[in-house]
Amino acid sequence: GENVEQHPSTLSVQEGDSAVIKCTYSDSASNYFPWYKQELGKRPQLIIDIRSNVGEKKDQRIAVTLNKTAKHFSLHITETQPEDSAVYFCAASKSSGGYNKLIFGAGTRLAVHP
Amino acid sequence: DVKVTQSSRYLVKRTGEKVFLECVQDMDHENMFWYRQDPGLGLRLIYFSYDVKMKEKGDIPEGYSVSREKKERFSLILESASTNQTSMYLCASSPGGSGNTIYFGEGSWLTVV
Repeated sequence: GENVEQHPSTLSVQEGDSAVIKCTYSDSASNYFPWYKQELGKRPQLIIDIRSNVGEKKDQRIAVTLNKTAKHFSLHITETQPEDSAVYFCAASKSSGGYNKLIFGAGTRLAVHP
Repeated sequence: DVKVTQSSRYLVKRTGEKVFLECVQDMDHENMFWYRQDPGLGLRLIYFSYDVKMKEKGDIPEGYSVSREKKERFSLILESASTNQTSMYLCASSPGGSGNTIYFGEGSWLTVV
């Protein structure tokens, strides 16, 4: 089955710096790659996603890149702010009947220091 | 706004008790999921359902069962709770089809003593 590895497990940056989180997946048939942000005590929420027919997607300070050949995808946060501090999860899934079966990475705890 | 509601935020149960975790979504989503979240392990899929009365095992189904009698409700059942089931449980739902956003509930913290 699918396996998703995520690195690093913790990341500490200064406010204004960039942060990069990387994930690799094992199933070459995976075609949907969302990223979730989970603030302390709250539910995970989708921040950006990418499908296998594109290589990059951007939304303001957040961007995601996908390398299908290497089977890895990355989250890039520019100009980090203290409110970006959270746990970030990557995930991968493939079309399977009528549903997503998302497999998540172990998470990255990002700390942005003022 | 999509709303996924988990009825209990915090529970403390004794070893051997039967535990029910209830989840309701109000967006007429076909798919519903139960995940377990543990530090350093991320979110692991326990069971999911893509239709009423349908269920599929996820990656860690042992010790759990589920019930989906109505489209909006998906229950997770621990037949005989054990201490290694102490965890945060997250319910989620999504529209039918692949590549659709999954929406999570607030989570249920279960402690088994």
